[in-house]
Amino acid sequence: AQSVSQHNHHVILSEAASLELGCNYSYGGTVNLFWYVQYPGQHLQLLLKYFSGDPLVKGIKGFEAEFIKSKFSFNLRKPSVQWSDTAEYFCAVNSNYGGATNKLIFGTGTLLAVQP
Amino acid sequence: NAGVTQTPKFRVLKTGQSMTLLCAQDMNHEYMYWYRQDPGMGLRLIHYSVGEGTTAKGEVPDGYNVSRLKKQNFLLGLESAAPSQTSVYFCASRTGPNSPLHFGNGTRLTVT
Repeated sequence: AQSVSQHNHHVILSEAASLELGCNYSYGGTVNLFWYVQYPGQHLQLLLKYFSGDPLVKGIKGFEAEFIKSKFSFNLRKPSVQWSDTAEYFCAVNSNYGGATNKLIFGTGTLLAVQP
Repeated sequence: NAGVTQTPKFRVLKTGQSMTLLCAQDMNHEYMYWYRQDPGMGLRLIHYSVGEGTTAKGEVPDGYNVSRLKKQNFLLGLESAAPSQTSVYFCASRTGPNSPLHFGNGTRLTVT
């Protein structure tokens, strides 16, 4: 079955620590990949997206992600986190597999808590 | 420019009652989606629409119905609410299949 996996459910870091959140998908065909962030009490906002070209994409607030096709992965990274990065992070995949280009499927999310 | 607007923001229902959640977008987006968000389960797609008059099932469509009579509106209906439908519901829209989603602020529904 097509799926998006985020293996880190809950991550706790101290400020200035480096962050890497994993995302793996099981779709075939061409994929478009997204990371969204949900701050406490708010709706989801786009952090960054990958459609094609350079597999290392940069987003807002110092986040970046690398698409590794051979590993079906799109991990999110940030060199130095801040307390304000405390939020839930969602990976999402849009695949054209089987003609289903219109579904955007989300992972289960990773809750990041940054301690000052 | 309001973006994606969901009404109501909160609702409490008793088991068996019905209700309709309204999503309205003013960005002329073709594609609209309804998701539910539950702790530890992320966002799960309920139904979606790729244009006025069209709807399709997502990952968890059972117990829900939708309608897209006007391009700007996407309605989610619960005919007979169940406690398992207690959740936060998000509507989202986008211009096309490869565009990022724009989300509404959510509707928190409790079914007792």
